[in-house]
Amino acid sequence: EAQVTQNPRYLITVTGKKLTVTCSQNMNHEYMSWYRQDPGLGLRQIYYSMNVEVTDKGDVPEGYKVSRKEKRNFPLILESPSPNQTSLYFCASSFSGLGGTYEQYFGPGTRLTVT
Amino acid sequence: AQSVTQPDIHITVSEGASLELRCNYSYGATPYLFWYVQSPGQGLQLLLKYFSGDTLVQGIKGFEAEFKRSQSSFNLRKPSVHWSDAAEYFCAVGARSSASKIIFGSGTRLSIRP
Repeated sequence: EAQVTQNPRYLITVTGKKLTVTCSQNMNHEYMSWYRQDPGLGLRQIYYSMNVEVTDKGDVPEGYKVSRKEKRNFPLILESPSPNQTSLYFCASSFSGLGGTYEQYFGPGTRLTVT
Repeated sequence: AQSVTQPDIHITVSEGASLELRCNYSYGATPYLFWYVQSPGQGLQLLLKYFSGDTLVQGIKGFEAEFKRSQSSFNLRKPSVHWSDAAEYFCAVGARSSASKIIFGSGTRLSIRP
């Protein structure tokens, strides 16, 4: 089944404790992206990747890191989480190429709480 | 700068009534256009997309959208809403070129009045 998976689905952590949220897709998509969703603010893009070893900042990259060593995986790293990073996080992927970037497929979301 | 605007933050319609959700975009050329729906507690699901051709596109769950180049709009419509349509709706655009990212609007929350 074609899908985007995220782990964990729920995470409660403390300020400053490094964490990684994994994202994996099995559709051989070039493009992958991370978003955070907060009430009243919609989806805001954190980082995106056009292909392996190609990443770029989105609209709200501060406090986050990403890597794209393999095509299927795009982990989101919070080196020193803070309470303002409490949010719902979505990973997404899509085909991308010379013709543009097509519709995204979303993971189920990760609910992160930083205390 | 590229942007997507959904001017209505929250809309309430009666069950059985028609619906139109607005989406306006600012882009250098004709973009790819998408509508997504997010039901409470769920992820985002693609409702429909426009790439080229007929400017009126049909999607799942009885939704349709019309691309109007002159107005830079891609409004979502449904002739008769059901209580299960209560959700948040996002419009998104992507460029017809390589190395492009997809930009999302801020969303419109739809409530259904019984």
